Amino acid sequence: DQQVKQNSPSLSVQEGRISILNCDYTNSMFDYFLWYKKYPAEGPTFLISISSIKDKNEDGRFTVFLNKSAKHLSLHIVPSQPGDSAVYFCAARVTGSQGNLIFGKGTKLSVKP
Amino acid sequence: DGGITQSPKYLFRKEGQNVTLSCEQNLNHDAMYWYRQDPGQGLRLIYYSQIVNDFQKGDIAEGYSVSREKKESFPLTVTSAQKNPTAFYLCASSRAGTSYNEQFFGPGTRLTVL
Repeated sequence: DQQVKQNSPSLSVQEGRISILNCDYTNSMFDYFLWYKKYPAEGPTFLISISSIKDKNEDGRFTVFLNKSAKHLSLHIVPSQPGDSAVYFCAARVTGSQGNLIFGKGTKLSVKP
Repeated sequence: DGGITQSPKYLFRKEGQNVTLSCEQNLNHDAMYWYRQDPGQGLRLIYYSQIVNDFQKGDIAEGYSVSREKKESFPLTVTSAQKNPTAFYLCASSRAGTSYNEQFFGPGTRLTVL
């Protein structure tokens, strides 16, 4: 059973528009959520994170929103750029697990010029 | 120039052979991790180590072994007992403890067992 779910395998967005990537989770014991970006045949790159005690974190074009009651988080990219085209993974850490992360299956974002 | 290196990038082995994947980091991180990625799947944790000479099994440890003799190194051996070893293997490291949870990843090794 998946504890972290990314239900959309792919997303296509026009350059300059907003990209919204979604992630749902089932474990109430997650205390930290992270987003990673991955290009083919490369390791994931950390993008942004959010603590479970917050509902929003912003870093440049990237904003992560956390809705604990709905067990849902989303990553907003504004404005989207062609270089943002990659697979985005949502990850979560179980409280007290010393850093072990549980990853979703990823969403492939395509930003079209 | 700190980072994580994995070698080789591509590795081919015959079925029934053990193979060891290298992972080195110069970030002075205490914790290191091995993940496996299959097509259309997320990353699944194989083994992790929070400190030298100590490591723990992850979700899919069967058929794998690791060692952590040095802080900088965390090699992964894929044994002949692993039923489906062909995959993309990723090594990561992070600071240990509850305050730092960002994991930095290496470039990965694609293992193909023929």
